[in-house]
Amino acid sequence: QVQLVESGGGVVQPGRSLRLSCAASGFTFSSYGMHWVRQAPGKGLEWVALIWHDGSYKFYADSVKGRFTISRDNSNNTLYLDMNSLRAEDTAKYYCTRDQCTTTSCYSAYWGQGTLVTVSS
Amino acid sequence: IVLTQSPATLSLSPGERATLSCRASQSVDIYLAWYQQKPGQAPKLLIFDASKRVTGTPARFSGSGSGTDFTLTISSLETEDSAIYYCQQRSKRPPLTFGGGTKVEIK
Repeated sequence: QVQLVESGGGVVQPGRSLRLSCAASGFTFSSYGMHWVRQAPGKGLEWVALIWHDGSYKFYADSVKGRFTISRDNSNNTLYLDMNSLRAEDTAKYYCTRDQCTTTSCYSAYWGQGTLVTVSS
Repeated sequence: IVLTQSPATLSLSPGERATLSCRASQSVDIYLAWYQQKPGQAPKLLIFDASKRVTGTPARFSGSGSGTDFTLTISSLETEDSAIYYCQQRSKRPPLTFGGGTKVEIK
């Protein structure tokens, strides 16, 4: 079955960097687009970034553009999120999600359990 | 594209009908999904392409709409339906957006 396991979260000071990882299993990782979605404590969902199945295209929310980088290693079935210049407002649980596509669109059909990032001095 | 969900909270009794609204600031055609999130859990995809149920989504959940106005209906509420429901648009290119959520409480 599809499994997505995030790791790398923790407490980090403002301005510092952190790398999140998402280990995927149970499917052909290189065939699917992948996302990061975050949720601040007690708040709603915010889409963060998308990477195409082959890594050829990457898209970002305006709130993280220029600071975060999504990448993937298809040989090791792992998705990454490199987060630089972290701010207090980046504090959230970060979920890794996998696309499931119809003939016309794709949706986040599979989610990991998330990893918590806390930005605080 | 901004998605506005209403109401923010819905408090109903078991067996009642719940109607959740999601309005888009511009047309998203039918490219809208609904997710259910229970406390302490990751969101779960219920409905995609506005009206198609994911395998395993109970038949009491139905989605409708196109363009800018969408509805998630739970025909007869069960206690397990207590959750926050989010809509998300996947129209054209990113950025993707979620609505602010509707909390469904069972009395």
